[in-house]
Amino acid sequence: GAGVSQSPSNKVTEKGKDVELRCDPISGHTALYWYRQSLGQGLEFLIYFQGNSAPDKSGLPSDRFSAERTGGSVSTLTIQRTQQEDSAVYLCASSLAGGPLNEQFFGPGTRLTVL
Amino acid sequence: AQSVSQHNHHVILSEAASLELGCNYSYGGTVNLFWYVQYPGQHLQLLLKYFSGDPLVKGIKGFEAEFIKSKFSFNLRKPSVQWSDTAEYFCALPLAGTASKLTFGTGTRLQVTL
Repeated sequence: GAGVSQSPSNKVTEKGKDVELRCDPISGHTALYWYRQSLGQGLEFLIYFQGNSAPDKSGLPSDRFSAERTGGSVSTLTIQRTQQEDSAVYLCASSLAGGPLNEQFFGPGTRLTVL
Repeated sequence: AQSVSQHNHHVILSEAASLELGCNYSYGGTVNLFWYVQYPGQHLQLLLKYFSGDPLVKGIKGFEAEFIKSKFSFNLRKPSVQWSDTAEYFCALPLAGTASKLTFGTGTRLQVTL
């Protein structure tokens, strides 16, 4: 693919349900990031994968949030027992490698609405 | 923790007007600074970046930004905006002690009228 893709583009769920958000990074990119953008706020870092290293989970807001990256490519962000405050746009980005010299390319995002 | 502030939330300009969007950061160490843009219906994309050297950075589509260390600022400028510059603009820098994890400002929505 030419760019980072994310699915679904929109997700509406009920409070208490689990959701899975998917990210397909650009082929060959070893670094993958998840961010979220809540209404009226800037993008907030969630988690960072770099190659085969253990992910940096320092931005995850609670233990209801988890993410994995299989085979160094596709990543899934899982939110368990969703709450209304989880409503946001979840953005995925990838870069050739970690570090600020490598541009992060963003996907279109998944808009999550928790009713 | 360091942060990025964008005080202009919504800016409306006529075509050919000059643009300056403010970005201030709170971090005293070495900084890398970025401006990202999101055009309507499109992905967030990098506009320009500053790492070191010349504090005046040129980006795509005629945009530039000036890093002023003494003012903790990295304002985005364009001498003459076009209708196609209508978009949301985000300033960002890496979180302290990291090289990759970015923290973003709340964004400035620019609307250019014909």
